[in-house]
Amino acid sequence: SQTIHQWPATLVQPVGSPLSLECTVEGTSNPNLYWYRQAAGRGLQLLFYSVGIGQISSEVPQNLSASRPQDRQFILSSKKLLLSDSGFYLCAWTQSGLERETQYFGPGTRLLVL
Amino acid sequence: ILNVEQSPQSLHVQEGDSTNFTCSFPSSNFYALHWYRWETAKSPEALFVMTLNGDEKKKGRISATLNTKEGYSYLYIKGSQPEDSATYLCVPSAAGNKLTFGGGTRVLVKP
Repeated sequence: SQTIHQWPATLVQPVGSPLSLECTVEGTSNPNLYWYRQAAGRGLQLLFYSVGIGQISSEVPQNLSASRPQDRQFILSSKKLLLSDSGFYLCAWTQSGLERETQYFGPGTRLLVL
Repeated sequence: ILNVEQSPQSLHVQEGDSTNFTCSFPSSNFYALHWYRWETAKSPEALFVMTLNGDEKKKGRISATLNTKEGYSYLYIKGSQPEDSATYLCVPSAAGNKLTFGGGTRVLVKP
């Protein structure tokens, strides 16, 4: 069966510090991968998605970047965190880009920028 | 970006009662509609994916219907239990399976 992992589970970082959140998927190959964020009081927003190694699409302009160095690894990064980067970050995967396929979410990372 | 509206934003249900709520979405360029259940401090749990007009799906006491021509879906909870308390998200897919999440309907089941 497939599983999706995210770490760390929680993170407190000062403004201006770098960020690296990791997401890995097991039990499948060549998945589509997605990063979402829930800011305080708001719904989930798609940040990035990837259809393969090295292929990243950004949905919204922001202070973050994403990379996919391996087939089942998706990394969310920032060089300098802003207060507005605080939120709950969720990674998701699906087997392909077909719209009828369910996206499965990881446990999430709660980030607080102070 | 797909506009999705869920109504009501929140509702309180007495344990044992049944309830339902609505999702409205653009009927043009429809691909699929996903329903998720999201409990606080957890990750969203997939309930259904619906693609065809007239689709009806059921999972335990939870069921959903889909009308793609008029752009709405209903989710029903039969005999609500406290563990049904969560936010229920109706999520249309855009091309490439990019999901647009709204605020959802927050359900609180009171014992």
